[in-house]
Amino acid sequence: DAGVIQSPRHEVTEMGQEVTLRCKPISGHNSLFWYRQTMMRGLELLIYFNNNVPIDDSGMPEDRFSAKMPNASFSTLKIQPSEPRDSAVYFCASKADSPLHFGNGTRLTVT
Amino acid sequence: AQSVSQHNHHVILSEAASLELGCNYSYGGTVNLFWYVQYPGQHLQLLLKYFSGDPLVKGIKGFEAEFIKSKFSFNLRKPSVQWSDTAEYFCAVSPPNTGNQFYFGTGTSLTVIP
Repeated sequence: DAGVIQSPRHEVTEMGQEVTLRCKPISGHNSLFWYRQTMMRGLELLIYFNNNVPIDDSGMPEDRFSAKMPNASFSTLKIQPSEPRDSAVYFCASKADSPLHFGNGTRLTVT
Repeated sequence: AQSVSQHNHHVILSEAASLELGCNYSYGGTVNLFWYVQYPGQHLQLLLKYFSGDPLVKGIKGFEAEFIKSKFSFNLRKPSVQWSDTAEYFCAVSPPNTGNQFYFGTGTSLTVIP
């Protein structure tokens, strides 16, 4: 079991650039979650998928954020255009029944 | 709306001191309850979970938590903390039959002084 795999581990980009974060859930897990963690707001749920279908995206901050899950083994979170306030650690997590299994996160810095 | 409250934002203890971190949730039905730990620079890892049965659950590294239904609480405890317990601790609630919703508290930062 390789766990939830996220890439890249670190991303530094300039304001206005497009950023794509990637996640490979644990094989057999049918639910996938994207979280954002900051000092100010803690851990926030952005969106989650069940069986590749987005179920709740009410946590997505604005239209600059989009997430896809084209198949059971891959998901992306895209920010376009990026802004400095998007700087955070983005976690992907997956689950079958319970509990959640988290990836190592992507630390995003937008300058 | 579902919410999870962790009342202690920052806790500082000396080694060997006892720990109790509070967690309260607002949901009237049956819930699954979790505590996660995040060591510095790492991802969240499961400490323990409660689904049903004995309300006192034991997790890894000597941690335990008690589910008190009447108080809507799931407090985390450890009799004697170690320096290596320095981390952020998150309480989480997942109500059944809600389409896999997970609600996290804001976290409690624990610093253990050697």
